[in-house]
Amino acid sequence: GEQVEQRPPHLSVREGDSAFITCTYTDPNSYYFFWYKQEPGASLQLLMKVFSSTEINEGQGFTVLLNKKDKRLSLNLTAAHPGDSAAYFCAVSAGDMGYKLTFGTGTSLLVDP
Amino acid sequence: ETAVFQTPNYHVTQVGNEVSFNCKQTLGHDTMYWYKQDSKKLLKIMFSYNNKQLIVNETVPRRFSPQSSDKAHLNLRIKSVEPEDSAVYLCASSLGLGQDTQYFGPGTRLLVL
Repeated sequence: GEQVEQRPPHLSVREGDSAFITCTYTDPNSYYFFWYKQEPGASLQLLMKVFSSTEINEGQGFTVLLNKKDKRLSLNLTAAHPGDSAAYFCAVSAGDMGYKLTFGTGTSLLVDP
Repeated sequence: ETAVFQTPNYHVTQVGNEVSFNCKQTLGHDTMYWYKQDSKKLLKIMFSYNNKQLIVNETVPRRFSPQSSDKAHLNLRIKSVEPEDSAVYLCASSLGLGQDTQYFGPGTRLLVL
């Protein structure tokens, strides 16, 4: 089945710096990709949903890159601020296993003011 | 705005007791899920229901059983809890399967003494 590895598990950056998180997945049939943010004590909020056809996806204050050849999904938070401190999870859904979402292991991001 | 509701928020119980968690979604979605998030924040799917039918049943101990009365409700019962059941249980829903975004509830934190 699908395996999703997420790195790094912990990340600490200064306010204004970039924060880069990467997930690698194994199933070449993976079709839909998601990034979720989980603030302390809260539930998961969707940051972005990405389709396999789009390699560069711009959000508000972040960019999601999809490299299908390397089976890699990345989240780049540009100019991080303390409000970005949270856990971030990638999730991958394979087109032929449409009912199952496999989550990465999570990255705990701390942005120092 | 919360559209996936979970009760209780927090539950403390002793080994061997039975517990039941409730989840309701007001999004009109067809699919609902239960995830377990452990102390390391690892997220693993336990069950998924689509139109009241069980479609995903991961390898979980038999003491866990989902219960769905209609599309908007998916409860989770744990018969005879064990210490390793201490975790946050997250309920989610999506319109359909696979490519559809999953929306998460606030979670139920279970502590087994």
